[in-house]
Amino acid sequence: DGGITQSPKYLFRKEGQNVTLSCEQNLNHDAMYWYRQDPGQGLRLIYYSQIVNDFQKGDIAEGYSVSREKKESFPLTVTSAQKNPTAFYLCASSTQGVSNTGELFFGEGSRLTVL
Amino acid sequence: GEDVEQSLFLSVREGDSSVINCTYTDSSSTYLYWYKQEPGAGLQLLTYIFSNMDMKQDQRLTVLLNKKDKHLSLRIADTQTGDSAIYFCADLQGGKLIFGQGTELSVKP
Repeated sequence: DGGITQSPKYLFRKEGQNVTLSCEQNLNHDAMYWYRQDPGQGLRLIYYSQIVNDFQKGDIAEGYSVSREKKESFPLTVTSAQKNPTAFYLCASSTQGVSNTGELFFGEGSRLTVL
Repeated sequence: GEDVEQSLFLSVREGDSSVINCTYTDSSSTYLYWYKQEPGAGLQLLTYIFSNMDMKQDQRLTVLLNKKDKHLSLRIADTQTGDSAIYFCADLQGGKLIFGQGTELSVKP
């Protein structure tokens, strides 16, 4: 079945460590996104990519990095520079083009806890 | 600037109607969306409305859009315990979705 897979679902890390969250989609979507969710704050956009080998910063990119070497994959690295990394991270994808209504398809999320 | 606002909590009794409200600031919005998030999961699209429409109905869901006041609402008729979740409105701006804070709907038996 087509969909978006995020891994791991739960992750613990010590302060000062980098960690990479995986996001893979088999929907043949061009665009992929990373959001961060904190209670009472909704979803905030970290990075997005509309095409392979290209990506743009969202509203809260500081302390994060991404790559888009393949259409199917958009991994997010949470670096030690991110001041408050404990959060629920959501990956999403969408189609592009004139028929695009902007609908996003979401993964199940990864919960990162910094100890 | 971009801003989408929602109240954080709503509690209703099973069988009642629920109305979740949202306000947005961008007058150039083309589509507005309602997404549902169940505990510990990702978001799923419930419905969306094109900005030149006033109302859209889909089974138990009714979306009302007041462009003049930049106000969007989602009405769920005959609310069930399975409707308990967080509901997000979202606004399509410049190819990106801007989400509200989410309204947590609690349905009591």
